[in-house]
Amino acid sequence: EDQVTQSPEALRLQEGESSSLNCSYTVSGLRGLFWYRQDPGKGPEFLFTLYSAGEEKEKERLKATLTKKESFLHITAPKPEDSATYLCVSPSATNKLIFGTGTLLAVQP
Amino acid sequence: ETGVTQTPRHLVMGMTNKKSLKCEQHLGHNAMYWYKQSAKKPLELMFVYSLEERVENNSVPSRFSPECPNSSHLFLHLHTLQPEDSALYLCASSQDRGNTQYFGPGTRLTVL
Repeated sequence: EDQVTQSPEALRLQEGESSSLNCSYTVSGLRGLFWYRQDPGKGPEFLFTLYSAGEEKEKERLKATLTKKESFLHITAPKPEDSATYLCVSPSATNKLIFGTGTLLAVQP
Repeated sequence: ETGVTQTPRHLVMGMTNKKSLKCEQHLGHNAMYWYKQSAKKPLELMFVYSLEERVENNSVPSRFSPECPNSSHLFLHLHTLQPEDSALYLCASSQDRGNTQYFGPGTRLTVL
């Protein structure tokens, strides 16, 4: 069964304290791995798409990496405005998006 | 307007009311989606339209009725809803199914 699992469920960091969010996937024939950011009461905002193991993408303090079984979202020197829920998503072979349950990140000043 | 827009942003309705949610995408995409997001739950896919044809209906109650008059517009017609239908309703679009989806800001629906 296609599945996307994110950990931890929640993460609290101090401003400037770097860390990583994990996404494990079991999707046959990976056709992409997407990362989104979602603020409370708003729609998910697209961050990155990764297609192959070894690929990396960066945006400001965020860097996403991909292996054959996992993806990591590295947050370097986070700021309070980085607080949000981060979603990991992958399309199944039938083109249905499989969503992880998300990691709720809180960055304290 | 750019991206994906949704109106209204907030809606309060009684169980006997009829209302509609509207979504418009300005990205030239050919697939559009409705999702439901309840508190502390993952997004639940409701409907998928590809080239204006409904291609997926995930066991959604008939009190939710989608309409896709063209590739840029998507509606969700609501009637005789239940309090448990209160949630954030999100619209998204993509170029072909299975590709990156871009989401609208959502409609916060409260059913009294």
